[in-house]
Amino acid sequence: GEDVEQSLFLSVREGDSSVINCTYTDSSSTYLYWYKQEPGAGLQLLTYIFSNMDMKQDQRLTVLLNKKDKHLSLRIADTQTGDSAIYFCAERLSFGNEKLTFGTGTRLTIIP
Amino acid sequence: NAGVTQTPKFRVLKTGQSMTLLCAQDMNHEYMYWYRQDPGMGLRLIHYSVGEGTTAKGEVPDGYNVSRLKKQNFLLGLESAAPSQTSVYFCASSSQGGDTQYFGPGTRLTVL
Repeated sequence: GEDVEQSLFLSVREGDSSVINCTYTDSSSTYLYWYKQEPGAGLQLLTYIFSNMDMKQDQRLTVLLNKKDKHLSLRIADTQTGDSAIYFCAERLSFGNEKLTFGTGTRLTIIP
Repeated sequence: NAGVTQTPKFRVLKTGQSMTLLCAQDMNHEYMYWYRQDPGMGLRLIHYSVGEGTTAKGEVPDGYNVSRLKKQNFLLGLESAAPSQTSVYFCASSSQGGDTQYFGPGTRLTVL
C-alpha cells in the first residue's frame, strides 16, 4: 500500500538552508509534490517533480528525488521568517491518478 | 478570481446534528475533492468527483455524503455528526485528475 512519511518538526536559523525529507513506499509513483500550508490557510503547491527526474530547481527551492531509496527532499536556501509553515509531500500514482497520498507534514520553525 | 472558496470557516455541532459544507470554484475545473486534516495524519481523501453529477469514495468516506449538482460546487454532508468527525476539512479542485490541485482555506469543524 501507499505510505508517505515525514518527520514532524524542523527548526532552522534564519539565513541557513532548510532540508525537509520525505520517504514513500510505492515505486509506481509518477509525480511527487511539495505543498506549503501557512497558519489558518489551505495548501499551496510549491513545486513538483516527475518520477523520471532526479532534481528540479526553482529559485530558492531545490527538489531531489532518489527513486532507488524512495526518498524525496526539499531544500530551501537562505531560509526566511516567511518560510515558517507546515510542508507536505504528496505522491500521485499512475493507477487511479485522481488520488494524492499526503505525508503527515513537517512544521518548519525559523529561529531568528 | 476567487479560486476555491469554502463556507463556513468555522462550525460547532452537537453529536447527532447534521450540516453541509459548501465548496465553490470559479476555475471551470472538472475534478473536485474533499479532504480532512487531523493532527499527525496529513490529509485524507473523503470523496471526490470527476465531473458534474458524479461522485466517488476516497480513503475515509464513512459518515459523509457528497453531491455535485453543478460543476462549480461540491457539497459535503454530515447526516449525524460524531466527535470523531472533529477535524479541518479542505476542498480542492483540478482541471484533470493528475493536474495540480488547488485548495480552499479550510473549514474547522468541532463536534461536541
